[in-house]
Amino acid sequence: AQSVSQHNHHVILSEAASLELGCNYSYGGTVNLFWYVQYPGQHLQLLLKYFSGDPLVKGIKGFEAEFIKSKFSFNLRKPSVQWSDTAEYFCAVKEGFQKLVFGTGTRLLVSP
Amino acid sequence: DTGVSQNPRHKITKRGQNVTFRCDPISEHNRLYWYRQTLGQGPEFLTYFQNEAQLEKSRLLSDRFSAERPKGSFSTLEIQRTEQGDSAMYLCASPGTGIHSGANVLTFGAGSRLTVL
Repeated sequence: AQSVSQHNHHVILSEAASLELGCNYSYGGTVNLFWYVQYPGQHLQLLLKYFSGDPLVKGIKGFEAEFIKSKFSFNLRKPSVQWSDTAEYFCAVKEGFQKLVFGTGTRLLVSP
Repeated sequence: DTGVSQNPRHKITKRGQNVTFRCDPISEHNRLYWYRQTLGQGPEFLTYFQNEAQLEKSRLLSDRFSAERPKGSFSTLEIQRTEQGDSAMYLCASPGTGIHSGANVLTFGAGSRLTVL
Protein backbone atom coordinates (compact mmCIF):
# COMPACT_ATOMS: atom_id res chain seq x y z
CA ALA A 1 0.00 0.00 0.00
CA GLN A 2 1.06 3.53 -0.65
CA SER A 3 2.24 5.74 2.15
CA VAL A 4 3.08 9.43 2.20
CA SER A 5 5.73 11.11 4.32
CA GLN A 6 5.72 14.76 5.16
CA HIS A 7 8.91 15.45 7.01
CA ASN A 8 8.15 18.90 8.33
CA HIS A 9 5.41 18.80 10.94
CA HIS A 10 5.61 22.45 11.92
CA VAL A 11 7.13 25.30 9.96
CA ILE A 12 7.35 28.90 11.10
CA LEU A 13 8.27 31.59 8.58
CA SER A 14 8.23 35.35 8.36
CA GLU A 15 6.24 37.01 5.62
CA ALA A 16 8.11 37.17 2.28
CA ALA A 17 10.22 34.13 3.14
CA SER A 18 10.36 31.28 0.67
CA LEU A 19 8.60 28.03 1.43
CA GLU A 20 9.37 24.44 0.56
CA LEU A 21 7.44 21.57 2.11
CA GLY A 22 8.65 18.06 1.54
CA CYS A 23 6.50 15.13 0.43
CA ASN A 24 7.62 11.62 -0.44
CA TYR A 25 5.46 8.68 -1.45
CA SER A 26 6.39 5.07 -1.10
CA TYR A 27 6.35 3.46 -4.51
CA GLY A 28 6.36 4.38 -8.15
CA GLY A 29 4.65 3.60 -11.34
CA THR A 30 1.95 5.92 -12.52
CA VAL A 31 0.97 8.23 -9.71
CA ASN A 32 -1.59 10.96 -9.19
CA LEU A 33 -0.37 13.45 -6.59
CA PHE A 34 -2.11 16.25 -4.75
CA TRP A 35 -1.55 19.02 -2.27
CA TYR A 36 -4.53 20.07 -0.18
CA VAL A 37 -4.67 23.00 2.22
CA GLN A 38 -6.80 23.50 5.30
CA TYR A 39 -7.05 27.09 6.54
CA PRO A 40 -8.01 27.56 10.18
CA GLY A 41 -11.65 26.64 10.66
CA GLN A 42 -12.17 25.76 7.02
CA HIS A 43 -12.54 22.62 4.95
CA LEU A 44 -9.83 20.89 2.93
CA GLN A 45 -9.24 22.59 -0.40
CA LEU A 46 -7.23 21.46 -3.40
CA LEU A 47 -4.09 23.53 -4.01
CA LEU A 48 -2.75 21.67 -7.01
CA LYS A 49 -2.52 18.26 -8.61
CA TYR A 50 -0.23 16.26 -10.84
CA PHE A 51 -1.51 13.55 -13.15
CA SER A 52 0.98 13.55 -16.03
CA GLY A 53 3.00 15.84 -18.28
CA ASP A 54 5.06 18.80 -17.07
CA PRO A 55 6.48 17.80 -13.68
CA LEU A 56 6.32 21.40 -12.49
CA VAL A 57 2.73 22.05 -11.54
CA LYS A 58 1.29 25.45 -10.74
CA GLY A 59 -1.63 25.81 -8.37
CA ILE A 60 -3.68 28.51 -6.79
CA LYS A 61 -2.35 31.41 -4.71
CA GLY A 62 1.15 31.26 -6.21
CA PHE A 63 1.93 27.73 -5.07
CA GLU A 64 3.76 25.24 -7.24
CA ALA A 65 5.02 21.70 -6.82
CA GLU A 66 7.64 19.64 -8.59
CA PHE A 67 7.23 15.94 -9.27
CA ILE A 68 10.58 14.14 -9.24
CA LYS A 69 9.96 10.53 -10.15
CA SER A 70 13.45 9.31 -9.29
CA LYS A 71 13.12 10.68 -5.77
CA PHE A 72 9.45 9.71 -5.26
CA SER A 73 8.93 13.31 -4.26
CA PHE A 74 6.34 16.03 -4.81
CA ASN A 75 7.55 19.05 -2.87
CA LEU A 76 5.43 22.16 -2.51
CA ARG A 77 6.96 25.59 -2.99
CA LYS A 78 6.08 29.24 -2.82
CA PRO A 79 8.65 31.98 -3.41
CA SER A 80 7.19 34.49 -0.95
CA VAL A 81 4.68 33.53 1.72
CA GLN A 82 2.01 35.76 3.16
CA TRP A 83 0.37 35.80 6.57
CA SER A 84 -2.77 34.43 4.89
CA ASP A 85 -0.86 31.25 3.96
CA THR A 86 -1.02 30.16 7.60
CA ALA A 87 -2.69 26.78 7.34
CA GLU A 88 -2.11 23.04 7.41
CA TYR A 89 -0.87 21.47 4.19
CA PHE A 90 -1.46 17.87 3.22
CA CYS A 91 0.21 15.89 0.49
CA ALA A 92 -1.77 12.97 -0.95
CA VAL A 93 -1.37 10.21 -3.50
CA LYS A 94 -4.13 8.27 -5.21
CA GLU A 95 -4.07 4.58 -4.39
CA GLY A 96 -5.73 2.03 -6.56
CA PHE A 97 -8.78 3.22 -8.35
CA GLN A 98 -10.53 5.36 -5.87
CA LYS A 99 -8.96 6.54 -2.66
CA LEU A 100 -6.43 9.09 -1.53
CA VAL A 101 -3.67 8.37 0.94
CA PHE A 102 -2.70 11.48 2.88
CA GLY A 103 0.43 12.44 4.75
CA THR A 104 0.24 13.61 8.33
CA GLY A 105 0.29 17.26 7.31
CA THR A 106 2.56 20.25 7.85
CA ARG A 107 1.32 23.10 9.99
CA LEU A 108 2.63 26.40 8.60
CA LEU A 109 2.62 29.57 10.65
CA VAL A 110 3.54 32.79 8.88
CA SER A 111 4.31 35.68 11.15
CA PRO A 112 3.56 39.18 9.88
CA ASP B 1 -19.61 26.30 0.57
CA THR B 2 -17.95 23.29 -1.02
CA GLY B 3 -21.10 21.75 -2.44
CA VAL B 4 -20.69 18.83 -0.02
CA SER B 5 -22.89 19.36 2.99
CA GLN B 6 -22.39 17.58 6.30
CA ASN B 7 -24.35 17.64 9.51
CA PRO B 8 -24.21 17.95 12.36
CA ARG B 9 -21.03 19.99 12.35
CA HIS B 10 -20.31 19.11 15.96
CA LYS B 11 -21.51 16.27 18.14
CA ILE B 12 -20.61 15.66 21.76
CA THR B 13 -21.71 12.36 23.18
CA LYS B 14 -21.07 10.07 26.10
CA ARG B 15 -19.19 6.83 25.65
CA GLY B 16 -21.52 4.03 24.69
CA GLN B 17 -24.04 6.18 22.86
CA ASN B 18 -24.81 5.88 19.15
CA VAL B 19 -24.26 8.75 16.74
CA THR B 20 -25.17 9.30 13.12
CA PHE B 21 -23.69 11.71 10.61
CA ARG B 22 -25.19 12.73 7.30
CA CYS B 23 -23.54 13.77 4.05
CA ASP B 24 -25.22 15.35 1.04
CA PRO B 25 -22.70 15.19 -1.82
CA ILE B 26 -22.46 17.18 -5.03
CA SER B 27 -25.59 16.03 -6.77
CA GLU B 28 -24.34 15.05 -10.18
CA HIS B 29 -21.73 12.60 -8.94
CA ASN B 30 -22.45 8.97 -8.17
CA ARG B 31 -19.41 8.44 -5.95
CA LEU B 32 -19.16 9.35 -2.29
CA TYR B 33 -16.32 8.84 0.18
CA TRP B 34 -15.98 8.94 3.96
CA TYR B 35 -12.69 9.81 5.65
CA ARG B 36 -11.69 10.26 9.28
CA GLN B 37 -9.20 12.81 10.54
CA THR B 38 -7.79 12.65 14.04
CA LEU B 39 -5.67 15.32 15.69
CA GLY B 40 -2.24 15.58 14.15
CA GLN B 41 -3.03 13.20 11.32
CA GLY B 42 -4.09 13.49 7.74
CA PRO B 43 -7.46 12.21 6.60
CA GLU B 44 -7.74 8.40 6.49
CA PHE B 45 -10.01 6.58 4.07
CA LEU B 46 -12.96 4.79 5.65
CA THR B 47 -15.31 3.73 2.89
CA TYR B 48 -16.62 4.55 -0.56
CA PHE B 49 -19.93 4.26 -2.43
CA GLN B 50 -20.79 4.14 -6.07
CA ASN B 51 -24.47 4.98 -6.19
CA GLU B 52 -26.01 2.92 -3.38
CA ALA B 53 -23.35 0.21 -3.45
CA GLN B 54 -20.64 0.26 -0.79
CA LEU B 55 -17.66 -0.92 -2.80
CA GLU B 56 -14.74 -0.66 -0.39
CA LYS B 57 -14.31 -0.53 3.37
CA SER B 58 -11.13 0.22 5.28
CA ARG B 59 -9.98 -1.98 8.13
CA LEU B 60 -10.44 1.16 10.23
CA LEU B 61 -14.18 0.63 9.91
CA SER B 62 -14.90 -1.71 12.81
CA ASP B 63 -18.18 -3.59 13.28
CA ARG B 64 -19.49 -0.64 15.27
CA PHE B 65 -19.41 1.51 12.15
CA SER B 66 -21.98 1.29 9.41
CA ALA B 67 -22.47 3.47 6.38
CA GLU B 68 -25.37 3.58 4.01
CA ARG B 69 -26.35 5.43 0.91
CA PRO B 70 -30.00 4.70 0.19
CA LYS B 71 -31.06 5.57 -3.34
CA GLY B 72 -27.54 6.68 -4.18
CA SER B 73 -28.06 10.23 -2.90
CA PHE B 74 -27.18 11.27 0.64
CA SER B 75 -25.17 9.01 2.91
CA THR B 76 -25.17 8.30 6.63
CA LEU B 77 -22.37 7.09 8.84
CA GLU B 78 -23.46 5.55 12.12
CA ILE B 79 -21.19 4.70 15.01
CA GLN B 80 -22.66 2.41 17.64
CA ARG B 81 -21.44 2.17 21.24
CA THR B 82 -19.03 5.04 20.78
CA GLU B 83 -15.61 4.92 22.38
CA GLN B 84 -13.27 7.77 23.24
CA GLY B 85 -11.01 6.65 20.40
CA ASP B 86 -13.78 7.48 17.95
CA SER B 87 -13.31 11.18 18.65
CA ALA B 88 -12.32 12.67 15.31
CA MET B 89 -13.48 14.75 12.39
CA TYR B 90 -15.53 12.69 9.95
CA LEU B 91 -15.20 13.98 6.41
CA CYS B 92 -17.34 13.30 3.40
CA ALA B 93 -16.07 13.85 -0.13
CA SER B 94 -17.26 13.56 -3.69
CA PRO B 95 -15.56 14.10 -7.04
CA GLY B 96 -14.98 17.76 -7.77
CA THR B 97 -16.70 20.08 -10.19
CA GLY B 98 -15.57 22.86 -12.49
CA ILE B 99 -11.80 23.22 -12.71
CA HIS B 100 -11.52 20.41 -10.21
CA SER B 101 -13.79 18.06 -12.06
CA GLY B 102 -12.66 14.53 -12.62
CA ALA B 103 -12.82 11.26 -10.85
CA ASN B 104 -9.45 11.68 -9.22
CA VAL B 105 -10.05 15.04 -7.57
CA LEU B 106 -12.08 15.05 -4.39
CA THR B 107 -14.06 17.91 -2.94
CA PHE B 108 -14.43 17.64 0.82
CA GLY B 109 -17.19 18.79 3.09
CA ALA B 110 -16.54 20.82 6.22
CA GLY B 111 -16.76 17.68 8.33
CA SER B 112 -18.60 16.50 11.41
CA ARG B 113 -16.53 16.73 14.57
CA LEU B 114 -17.26 14.01 17.12
CA THR B 115 -16.20 14.28 20.74
CA VAL B 116 -16.78 11.23 22.91
CA LEU B 117 -16.62 11.92 26.64
